[in-house]
Amino acid sequence: DAGVTQSPTHLIKTRGQQVTLRCSPKSGHDTVSWYQQALGQGPQFIFQYYEEEERQRGNFPDRFSGHQFPNYSSELNVNALLLGDSALYLCASSLESWSEQYFGPGTRLTVT
Amino acid sequence: AQKITQTQPGMFVQEKEAVTLDCTYDTSDQSYGLFWYKQPSSGEMIFLIYQGSYDEQNATEGRYSLNFQKARKSANLVISASQLGDSAMYFCAMREVVGNQFYFGTGTSLTVIP
Repeated sequence: DAGVTQSPTHLIKTRGQQVTLRCSPKSGHDTVSWYQQALGQGPQFIFQYYEEEERQRGNFPDRFSGHQFPNYSSELNVNALLLGDSALYLCASSLESWSEQYFGPGTRLTVT
Repeated sequence: AQKITQTQPGMFVQEKEAVTLDCTYDTSDQSYGLFWYKQPSSGEMIFLIYQGSYDEQNATEGRYSLNFQKARKSANLVISASQLGDSAMYFCAMREVVGNQFYFGTGTSLTVIP
């Protein structure tokens, strides 16, 4: 039973560029949530996707956008990258309820 | 105000001893869920234990138990018989049902000493 997978593992981008991160949920899960974890901090909720729609959003600018595909996989897009976007980006999947989220290994994004 | 407060940036415990990691939360919702996650240096968040706001019994999962004191708004994690592999960051988190938001604390770094 495959868990949550994320790609790529590491990424280096330049300020102003755009980036796309990918997530495949655990088998049987239909909800995907994205988090940003800066160094030394707890994860911050970005948004959640269910049935291909953004269901809930945290306090992040519109530069952060996402998508969920019919197979429940998801993408996180960040436009006009800033140095402050450097972080570990975590994807978590669950059934519709939040009772238990399974996290992927994360994508470490470095913006130079 | 912080939704989740973890006041212990770092903790040390002797192998085989028990340790309590503190967590307090702030919500006006009646229905919410509390979670603890472990994050090793590899970065992956590992689910440990869950407590619903209406659960009367404290949650337990193997060596992990959650000391839930609703009136005090605290949800401390107790790890019994610590093992070297327990060394990691531990995060307390809360889900508010009404707003459907999920909040994490800043974490506690636990080091188990042989």
